[in-house]
Amino acid sequence: DAKTTQPNSMESNEEEPVHLPCNHSTISGTDYIHWYRQLPSQGPEYVIHGLTSNVNNRMASLAIAEDRKSSTLILHRATLRDAAVYYCILRDYGNAGNMLTFGGGTRLMVKP
Amino acid sequence: DAMVIQNPRYQVTQFGKPVTLSCSQTLNHNVMYWYQQKSSQAPKLLFHYYDKDFNNEADTPDNFQSRRPNTSFCFLDIRSPGLGDTAMYLCATSRDRGQTEAFFGQGTRLTVV
Repeated sequence: DAKTTQPNSMESNEEEPVHLPCNHSTISGTDYIHWYRQLPSQGPEYVIHGLTSNVNNRMASLAIAEDRKSSTLILHRATLRDAAVYYCILRDYGNAGNMLTFGGGTRLMVKP
Repeated sequence: DAMVIQNPRYQVTQFGKPVTLSCSQTLNHNVMYWYQQKSSQAPKLLFHYYDKDFNNEADTPDNFQSRRPNTSFCFLDIRSPGLGDTAMYLCATSRDRGQTEAFFGQGTRLTVV
């Protein structure tokens, strides 16, 4: 899997939007951009993924740069339950796509 | 309903005593993964199966083995646990390759004493 770079930590106020950045300058044309999060004492959970176009689901939005070298996970209104480590991961949709390799992630802290 | 189930949730084992962790899935997914996660670190991939094809990470110690007797079950065997193997062990599944999401179990917290 190609490498991603994320800030170690970020802080947000409750009920405000949060923008979590991820750089992936070596992304290949066959890499999907995935986001997972891990709440304390739990296994990671899927948040969202995309290839080229921006994506929305009930949890979050994913904004992908036109050159695909960066992306941003957007939580529209942070809640205390969103406090977690967020991981940005690239997954190839070819044979190498069986790999799912985690980088450092961003620890999001939400203040009441 | 839980789709990826790991048993047990907590396991204490003695130094050098073999231990087996289990994972089952109700999703009928092709790919199953095992990860090791130490305190304050990201999950580290140990190995994965695509159907019956086993793929070992280059830096996974020989002490760690895995079995996948059928689509639903996968086991992690630690032949001679050391104190440094104390960690959370996570199982995950994925229907197919990069365009599909992965589902994780709650993990087994292993303590080697």
